[in-house]
Amino acid sequence: NAGVTQTPKFQVLKTGQSMTLQCAQDMNHNSMYWYRQDPGMGLRLIYYSASEGTTDKGEVPNGYNVSRLNKREFSLRLESAAPSQTSVYFCASSWTGSNSPLHFGNGTRLTVT
Amino acid sequence: AQSVTQLDSHVSVSEGTPVLLRCNYSSSYSPSLFWYVQHPNKGLQLLLKYTSAATLVKGINGFEAEFKKSETSFHLTKPSAHMSDAAEYFCVVSEGTSYDKVIFGPGTSLSVIP
Repeated sequence: NAGVTQTPKFQVLKTGQSMTLQCAQDMNHNSMYWYRQDPGMGLRLIYYSASEGTTDKGEVPNGYNVSRLNKREFSLRLESAAPSQTSVYFCASSWTGSNSPLHFGNGTRLTVT
Repeated sequence: AQSVTQLDSHVSVSEGTPVLLRCNYSSSYSPSLFWYVQHPNKGLQLLLKYTSAATLVKGINGFEAEFKKSETSFHLTKPSAHMSDAAEYFCVVSEGTSYDKVIFGPGTSLSVIP
């Protein structure tokens, strides 16, 4: 049982380049999330999708877009990467309700030069 | 507004000695509280969860946490540390039903000395 799968694991971009981070879950969860993790700041929510067909902004959405492709897949796109977007990105999923535990992927380490 | 404070950014213990990781929160409602663990280069994994049932919550790998409303605390403990417990630990508070109201603490790094 794979759980939450993220690709790629590592990526280096130059400023201004674009890329899409992919995420898929096989637990039939309704809700999916994208977080970024920076040292000493915990995890901050970028975007979330409470259910298939809906997406909403989180705490730090600027510079990102998302697509909930279907119930399983939730992608994060950086249209024009900036050095401030250097971070570790985590996708997570859960059952409906913010009190449901989150299940995380292993992360994508992104460096923007 | 809700918030989470993890009182120690780094804790170091000897193998076989008790672990105490401290967490205080503020919330306008009766929150749900979680502890997650993150091993190097891995995603976060749920250790335990409090949702207004028993105030002493038992989790995986021998960890437990006690919810103390009067102190607004949810400290994580383990009687005897193991080398495999070395990791980053996050306290998380969630209130209401809004997904953007899930707040992560900054994390506590636990080192275990042989």
